[in-house]
Amino acid sequence: EAGVTQFPSHSVIEKGQTVTLRCDPISGHDNLYWYRRVMGKEIKFLLHFVKESKQDESGMPNNRFLAERTGGTYSTLKVQPAELEDSGVYFCASSPGAGGSYEQYFGPGTRLTVT
Amino acid sequence: GDSVTQMEGPVTLSEEAFLTINCTYTATGYPSLFWYVQYPGEGLQLLLKATKADDKGSNKGFEATYRKETTSFHLEKGSVQVSDSAVYFCAFKPGGSYIPTFGRGTSLIVHP
Repeated sequence: EAGVTQFPSHSVIEKGQTVTLRCDPISGHDNLYWYRRVMGKEIKFLLHFVKESKQDESGMPNNRFLAERTGGTYSTLKVQPAELEDSGVYFCASSPGAGGSYEQYFGPGTRLTVT
Repeated sequence: GDSVTQMEGPVTLSEEAFLTINCTYTATGYPSLFWYVQYPGEGLQLLLKATKADDKGSNKGFEATYRKETTSFHLEKGSVQVSDSAVYFCAFKPGGSYIPTFGRGTSLIVHP
């Protein structure tokens, strides 16, 4: 069974540009999560989808970040316009079941560098 | 607020050395405790967990014991291998929550 995949693995953009990150969860997993790790710091929760609905977006830093999960399959996270402090590794995770109580399976992350 | 503190890295060891990575947490209630590992180029993987006081989680030769009195969950391995080189994250989930709170991660480098 394929794991969680993320694309691209690495993105380098200039301040003010737009970047879209993609996450493909494990097939059949209703729950999808986005996290971010700024260099050397903790991994922080961004948001949680249940199917196509946003269950919890309390971790989204500001309105420059937009996450979508149309059709309840893959998800995208768009940063527009990107700022220097957005640099970091963005992880996606998915889990089966209702209520998000199951173990989360993480992808390898997308390393975003804003210059 | 809730937080996890783990020792800073990198931790550099020779093969077969003993490993300890310290982790302490600040949380209300009775959290579940976890260690995740990220090998180069891969996603985070759950390494082990413990859900109540005095429980010992173990996997792949790694162990950690849930110490409520010291709010700690230190990771240990008796004899590390080069293949253990990775970043290790301590984490907890408060009771009733499904979102882990992570520490900053500790990079482990094992030399032959």
